[in-house]
Amino acid sequence: QVQLVQSGAEVKKPGASVNVSCKTSGYTFTTFPLYWLRQAPGQRLELMGWIHTGNGKPEYSDNFQDRVTISRDTSASTAYMILSNLRSEDTALYFCARVSYSYGLDFWGQGTTVTVSS
Amino acid sequence: DIQMTQSPSTLSAFVGDRVTITCRASESVKTWLSWYWQKPGKAPNLIIYRASFLESGVPSRFSGSGSETEFTLTISSLQPEDSGTYYCQQYTSYPWTFGQGTKVEIK
Repeated sequence: QVQLVQSGAEVKKPGASVNVSCKTSGYTFTTFPLYWLRQAPGQRLELMGWIHTGNGKPEYSDNFQDRVTISRDTSASTAYMILSNLRSEDTALYFCARVSYSYGLDFWGQGTTVTVSS
Repeated sequence: DIQMTQSPSTLSAFVGDRVTITCRASESVKTWLSWYWQKPGKAPNLIIYRASFLESGVPSRFSGSGSETEFTLTISSLQPEDSGTYYCQQYTSYPWTFGQGTKVEIK
């Protein structure tokens, strides 16, 4: 069955970077793009960017263009999201999700809590 | 970016009630709209895609309708396990965007 498993919770200081991984299984990794989203406490879901897992080309939302890097390792069927220059407002639950152009986001990782605190 | 607006923001209903949530898009998304259900601290679950198609495994009391800019999610008979927050999301143009959510509570 399709699974997306994310790395564990992180606590970071302001100005640091965080690296969240999303390991996939149960399907051909390069067939479906992967989105990265986040949800701050009490807020709506927000798209950070996505990666074409076939050619590795990332695309970033305007709000995160300068601070996010998304990559993938096809041999490990894993995608990565690095958010740099962290600030307290980045405290949130971060998700990866599989992109289906017919369904939307059909499978999700379990979420990774990132806490930014001095 | 396409703006998605849901109403109401919260609703409280009894078990067995018919519940309707509305989602409006700032421009036409045709039928490229999905609905998700989320419990606190958990990942969203896809329940409706292409505005009206029920995702596999989702109970038939859930239904979706609409096109262009106006959409509805209906729960025909609310059950205790349906509590949570519901989000609509358009996927006609990048960036895919979400509504602010509708929190459903059981009275």
